[in-house]
Amino acid sequence: EADIYQTPRYLVIGTGKKITLECSQTMGHDKMYWYQQDPGMELHLIHYSYGVNSTEKGDLSSESTVSRIRTEHFPLTLESARPSHTSQYLCASSGTWGQGEQFFGPGTRLTVL
Amino acid sequence: GENVEQHPSTLSVQEGDSAVIKCTYSDSASNYFPWYKQELGKRPQLIIDIRSNVGEKKDQRIAVTLNKTAKHFSLHITETQPEDSAVYFCAATPDNYGQNFVFGPGTRLSVLP
Repeated sequence: EADIYQTPRYLVIGTGKKITLECSQTMGHDKMYWYQQDPGMELHLIHYSYGVNSTEKGDLSSESTVSRIRTEHFPLTLESARPSHTSQYLCASSGTWGQGEQFFGPGTRLTVL
Repeated sequence: GENVEQHPSTLSVQEGDSAVIKCTYSDSASNYFPWYKQELGKRPQLIIDIRSNVGEKKDQRIAVTLNKTAKHFSLHITETQPEDSAVYFCAATPDNYGQNFVFGPGTRLSVLP
């Protein structure tokens, strides 16, 4: 079934650790996005990609990086996690031509101690 | 760039009453306007969208209206039910390849039994 998958779903780590949040989609979409969202609050775009080897920063500087080596895979890396990174991270994807629905993954709830 | 405002930030209605959420946008080039519903602990999901070549769209108990001249669009929910309780996000975007959604800050709707 076509969907967006995120792992891990929950993560608790210590300050200074390097972490990678995984996102994969089987939707066949070219565009992918990462959002940061405190529960029930505003969605902040932190990175997006138009396709393989394309990455752009969004409005929120989150001290993270992304890569897009394969169409279906869009991992987010925090080089040195801090308590201010505690939040939910949502991955999304959308089709190529024109603008259409963004489909969201289930999210990763990150807690940095 | 595009800026989307959304009002009210919280809304409480009695079960069976109607609810209206309003959004305004700034970029006259925007011509795709989706609405997302996010239930507690779940991912945002598209509930209805509208393009600028129509003024109103309905889907059962929900409807969206668009006034391009005034740059505002609204979500209308009739005969509200407890399962309508959620955070609702509007968004605006130009219908061009590579343009991203700009989300409003969200409205928390509570339907009281």
